[in-house]
Amino acid sequence: DQQVKQNSPSLSVQEGRISILNCDYTNSMFDYFLWYKKYPAEGPTFLISISSIKDKNEDGRFTVFLNKSAKHLSLHIVPSQPGDSAVYFCAASKGSYQLTFGKGTKLSVIP
Amino acid sequence: GAVVSQHPSWVICKSGTSVKIECRSLDFQATTMFWYRQFPKQSLMLMATSNEGSKATYEQGVEKDKFLINHASLTLSTLTVTSAHPEDSSFYICSARDSLGSSGYNEQFFGPGTRLTVL
Repeated sequence: DQQVKQNSPSLSVQEGRISILNCDYTNSMFDYFLWYKKYPAEGPTFLISISSIKDKNEDGRFTVFLNKSAKHLSLHIVPSQPGDSAVYFCAASKGSYQLTFGKGTKLSVIP
Repeated sequence: GAVVSQHPSWVICKSGTSVKIECRSLDFQATTMFWYRQFPKQSLMLMATSNEGSKATYEQGVEKDKFLINHASLTLSTLTVTSAHPEDSSFYICSARDSLGSSGYNEQFFGPGTRLTVL
């Protein structure tokens, strides 16, 4: 049973446009959500997070939106840059530091 | 951000041998470290939570006698894959939580991973 789902395995976006990566979860006990960026043969690096008490968190070009009623979160990257090309993992946690990850979405930003 | 290293970065071994993977927090102390496993095109699956000075907590379905975890110091955790078999071939990633970090979840840093191939 996959509790965190990223239904799009890949996404291609033109440089300068907006990238929207989506994530759905099933466990209503999750109270903290994170996005990680991962390059091949490297470990994930933390990108941005959001607590369940918020519905939006912004950090530079990255914004995460949380819709608790729909159990859905999304990561917006604008404007997208070629260096953003990587695999993006959505992760969720419930009151501990153990993270449950989605399968990831491979983002390709085309120059 | 803080740095977590893993050694080796890749290893090829024969079936039946044991392989030890080290995870080190280089510039911070980590009372808690996590070990993940990632199959191609799959999510990172948490295998176990390692707490310094105590026994590791394993996730359901993970054999503790197969995957031995030792967290002997605040900067080092090791994962030993005993009697490795081809199905153990995978990408193993550790993460470490900064014990003194103030932001909670954000203070978890990942190592670069270890690619294990069992022939």
